[in-house]
Amino acid sequence: AQSVTQPDIHITVSEGASLELRCNYSYGATPYLFWYVQSPGQGLQLLLKYFSGDTLVQGIKGFEAEFKRSQSSFNLRKPSVHWSDAAEYFCAVGAREYGNKLVFGAGTILRVKS
Amino acid sequence: DAGVTQSPTHLIKTRGQQVTLRCSPKSGHDTVSWYQQALGQEPQFIFQYYEEEERQRGNFPDRFSGHQFPNYSSELNVNALLLGDSALYLCASSPAGANGGYTFGSGTRLTVV
Repeated sequence: AQSVTQPDIHITVSEGASLELRCNYSYGATPYLFWYVQSPGQGLQLLLKYFSGDTLVQGIKGFEAEFKRSQSSFNLRKPSVHWSDAAEYFCAVGAREYGNKLVFGAGTILRVKS
Repeated sequence: DAGVTQSPTHLIKTRGQQVTLRCSPKSGHDTVSWYQQALGQEPQFIFQYYEEEERQRGNFPDRFSGHQFPNYSSELNVNALLLGDSALYLCASSPAGANGGYTFGSGTRLTVV
């Protein structure tokens, strides 16, 4: 069965500090990997995606993520967090073999303290 | 360039009623998927439409049905509403073969009372 694990439900970081959000997946096929961000009551905004090729992916808003096949991980990073980054972050996995539907992790709520 | 448009943004229905939610995909996109996101939960896949046919379905009862029109827009219908159907319903679109790189709308917040 396909599954995505985001082990951290909440994370609090100080403004200007670095950030890493963890994501691990279990998939029986070559995965496509995504990070989405959601503000309260809003839809999902795509931060970045990995299909193939370079395992370090650059996204919007200064975010990046690294695909590590050996660890089944796709962690999201940002070198310096801004107060406006406070939101919920979802890791998602899809695969052509499963019709490209997305399976989401449970999400990580990011709080930024000034 | 308009993204994915969903209507209405909010609505309140009574248990047992029926509801129809609408989605217009991003320009150039022809595949539409629907997701249900209960409060405090992650989105769950309901179904996907391509070429006016349901191509894939998640673990949702037959009370959930959909339709895709020739202009690629889509509707999600839910019959015999239950309190547990209260959620944010998200529509996502993509070009065919886009490897799941979906653009999401802002959602419709459905409250069942």
